Amino acid sequence: NAGVMQNPRHLVRRRGQEARLRCSPMKGHSHVYWYRQLPEEGLKFMVYLQKENIIDESGMPKERFSAEFPKEGPSILRIQQVVRGDSAAYFCASSLGLAGGRNTQYFGPGTRLTVL
Amino acid sequence: GIQVEQSPPDLILQEGANSTLRCNFSDSVNNLQWFHQNPWGQLINLFYIPSGTKQNGRLSATTVATERYSLLYISSSQTTDSGVYFCAVEGEKGGSEKLVFGKGTKLTVNP
Repeated sequence: NAGVMQNPRHLVRRRGQEARLRCSPMKGHSHVYWYRQLPEEGLKFMVYLQKENIIDESGMPKERFSAEFPKEGPSILRIQQVVRGDSAAYFCASSLGLAGGRNTQYFGPGTRLTVL
Repeated sequence: GIQVEQSPPDLILQEGANSTLRCNFSDSVNNLQWFHQNPWGQLINLFYIPSGTKQNGRLSATTVATERYSLLYISSSQTTDSGVYFCAVEGEKGGSEKLVFGKGTKLTVNP
């Protein structure tokens, strides 16, 4: 009964490179969320996806960041041309998407991105 | 959007002491969750509690939705309880299922 899986757990990139973060939701979950935690801060929502659809990307920077959740395979958060300010922990969560206030989100262990 | 405030921001306890952490939110919610982020950075689900009271071992939580607050109680604290406790809510309005997090309460339990 695996929980939310994220890989890699740690990622080091040089400025200007691309970062790809992967998230496999819990079995049976079709809703995926990405959050970012900057050092010494709380978590901030980035994007909410269902299979093949972006539902809410209001928290994602307009440039360099993109996310997808294809029909098959994990969700991917992609950061192009990384800068030092992108260094953070990126958490993925998944849920069943139940209505009526029963939508618990379960979080993965996070990917810690360091940009040199 | 909905605002979430947690208090106190920092809390230092001796092992065995009890504590209460508070979460205030500015609007009605569909979802409220409490998390513990341990010193290794992992986020652990403690409670899903949009209303009512729940207990799990030494931890319990109460949400009074009509008054827009939730409380997390930790009894007989242990050093392993150290870390940051986050409250997160999903607002009833807006149509998105995103969680809005408070800034957390940093708990240190000394032996």
